[in-house]
Amino acid sequence: EMQLVESGGGVIQPGGSLRLSCEASGFIVTTNYITWVRQGPGKGLEWVSIIYAGGSTYYADSVKGRFTISRDKSKNTVFLQMNSLRAEDTAMYYCATPNIGFSFGLWGQGTLVTVSS
Amino acid sequence: QSALTQPASVSGSPGQSITISCTGTRGDVASYNYVSWYQQHPGRAPKLMIYDVSHRPSGVSNRFSGSKSGNTASLTISGLQAEDEADYYCTSYTSGNTWVFGGGTKLTVL
Repeated sequence: EMQLVESGGGVIQPGGSLRLSCEASGFIVTTNYITWVRQGPGKGLEWVSIIYAGGSTYYADSVKGRFTISRDKSKNTVFLQMNSLRAEDTAMYYCATPNIGFSFGLWGQGTLVTVSS
Repeated sequence: QSALTQPASVSGSPGQSITISCTGTRGDVASYNYVSWYQQHPGRAPKLMIYDVSHRPSGVSNRFSGSKSGNTASLTISGLQAEDEADYYCTSYTSGNTWVFGGGTKLTVL
């Protein structure tokens, strides 16, 4: 069974760094794209970043230059390195991948990031 | 990377049909048949309801349907039920190899 499990969230001061992990099971992370989506408190879903099967990476303008997405096939895990964190980065962070079509059919349970002094 | 435009809220009575629109641009909705729709209940992760504009994943009720015309995609829910009350989001692939979500629509079943 395909599954994604996020971890690494927590409380961090503005300007700090955090690395989120998205561990996959039931499939190999290099066989398809995996994306990060976040949701601020009481807000809608916001697309953050994606790593495609070929390794190309893309970012939302709001995080470009501060966040880096990567993957480790040996750990079957995708990472989101978040630097220079701001209060507006406070959100639940989900990773997702397709299980059908060109969409995000499989989601993790999310990991909460709180940026606060 | 401007968000797709969705109505903030829609409502309907049980048994009725409602439609949620999702308006994008030439660089996303209009150019690709990669629009998908997600249902989210409070405190839960989003759930895929429609993919590739009009396809329904296995296990999703056939009361849910999707379509697209030009730069506007739509989600229609027929025979509204109480459990359909949730937030709904559209998303589209874009010309920059990125993705963009709509602002979300709160569905209230009266």
